[in-house]
Amino acid sequence: EDQVTQSPEALRLQEGESSSLNCSYTVSGLRGLFWYRQDPGKGPEFLFTLYSAGEEKEKERLKATLTKKESFLHITAPKPEDSATYLCAARALDTGRRALTFGSGTRLQVQP
Amino acid sequence: SQTIHQWPATLVQPVGSPLSLECTVEGTSNPNLYWYRQAAGRGLQLLFYSVGIGQISSEVPQNLSASRPQDRQFILSSKKLLLSDSGFYLCAWSPGTGNTEAFFGQGTRLTVV
Repeated sequence: EDQVTQSPEALRLQEGESSSLNCSYTVSGLRGLFWYRQDPGKGPEFLFTLYSAGEEKEKERLKATLTKKESFLHITAPKPEDSATYLCAARALDTGRRALTFGSGTRLQVQP
Repeated sequence: SQTIHQWPATLVQPVGSPLSLECTVEGTSNPNLYWYRQAAGRGLQLLFYSVGIGQISSEVPQNLSASRPQDRQFILSSKKLLLSDSGFYLCAWSPGTGNTEAFFGQGTRLTVV
């Protein structure tokens, strides 16, 4: 069974304090690893897609990396507006399902 | 550009009442469509997905059903709601071909009372 596990469940940072969020996955033939940001009461907003180990993607203060078992979302010098829940999802090799398996998310709070 | 619309944003329904949530996608053809449910503080659970009109696959046995009457329309229904159906429901789409990300609507907060 495909599984995606995120840690920590919650993270509180001071503004400017860099850190990393972890996403470990067990899927049958990874076809893509996806990161989303979700604000309270809203739908998830797409951030990054990673396809192969060693790949990195960056957007403003966020950088996502991928290994054969894990993905990390690095947050450099975060600001209060980065506060949100960050979701990780994986798509496995299949014949047509194409759906994503999600982790439970990491709730990030950045304090000024 | 592509957009996804989901409504209503919030809904309060009594136990035993019917349910109909609607989702439409604009700016694309033959999308894959999904219904997810998110419990408080939890990840997203896939309920249904569809790769074409009239083609619905169910992931979790439950009190809900889905239909796709048109290429870009996806409907989540129930004949009789249960208290346990309360949650945050999200519709999403991804391109019908290729291995790319999914894009989500803004969600419906359903409270069954």
